[in-house]
Amino acid sequence: DTGVSQDPRHKITKRGQNVTFRCDPISEHNRLYWYRQTLGQGPEFLTYFQNEAQLEKSRLLSDRFSAERPKGSFSTLEIQRTEQGDSAMYLCASSSRTVTNEKLFFGSGTQLSVL
Amino acid sequence: KQEVTQIPAALSVPEGENLVLNCSFTDSAIYNLQWFRQDPGKGLTSLLLIQSSQREQTSGRLNASLDKSSGRSTLYIAASQPGDSATYLCAVWETYKYIFGTGTRLKVLA
Repeated sequence: DTGVSQDPRHKITKRGQNVTFRCDPISEHNRLYWYRQTLGQGPEFLTYFQNEAQLEKSRLLSDRFSAERPKGSFSTLEIQRTEQGDSAMYLCASSSRTVTNEKLFFGSGTQLSVL
Repeated sequence: KQEVTQIPAALSVPEGENLVLNCSFTDSAIYNLQWFRQDPGKGLTSLLLIQSSQREQTSGRLNASLDKSSGRSTLYIAASQPGDSATYLCAVWETYKYIFGTGTRLKVLA
């Protein structure tokens, strides 16, 4: 069990550029979540996958955001035409109803700074 | 809509004190509740998970209780240590996702 892995750890980009983050969940976990966290706030839900199916998306996830989880393994989160308001920590988590009873395991996050 | 509130927002205590962190939620129909720890700039680490049918969970110096009817949970930390300094977040499960509070920033002074 190597834990949830996120890449990159830090990303600095200019406004208007596209960025993509990757998350590798714990291998036996079928559920994967993306959250966004700004300074001093709790994580805000963005989207949820069960295996390869994206079952729920937050209203926070505008049409500039897209997430995929091909083959129910790793997941990517892409932000197009980044804005300064997108600057935040993007957190990935995984769980399994049968293995962990929905206990969430988080990665270390990707810190995005949009200049 | 589920809302989760944590009080206090920040807490500073001398080493060795026992302390209680509070979490309240507006919709008592929860599946479970988790307490997490977050160090600055890092991801979250799950500390304790309480199922809706349970009243409390214990791990080492930590004890979490759950009172669904009143919409409250508490995290009790015994004999606090400087290494306990972190932000503590509670989260309740709502279909397909956890809803988080804003956290309590704890500083334990040596």
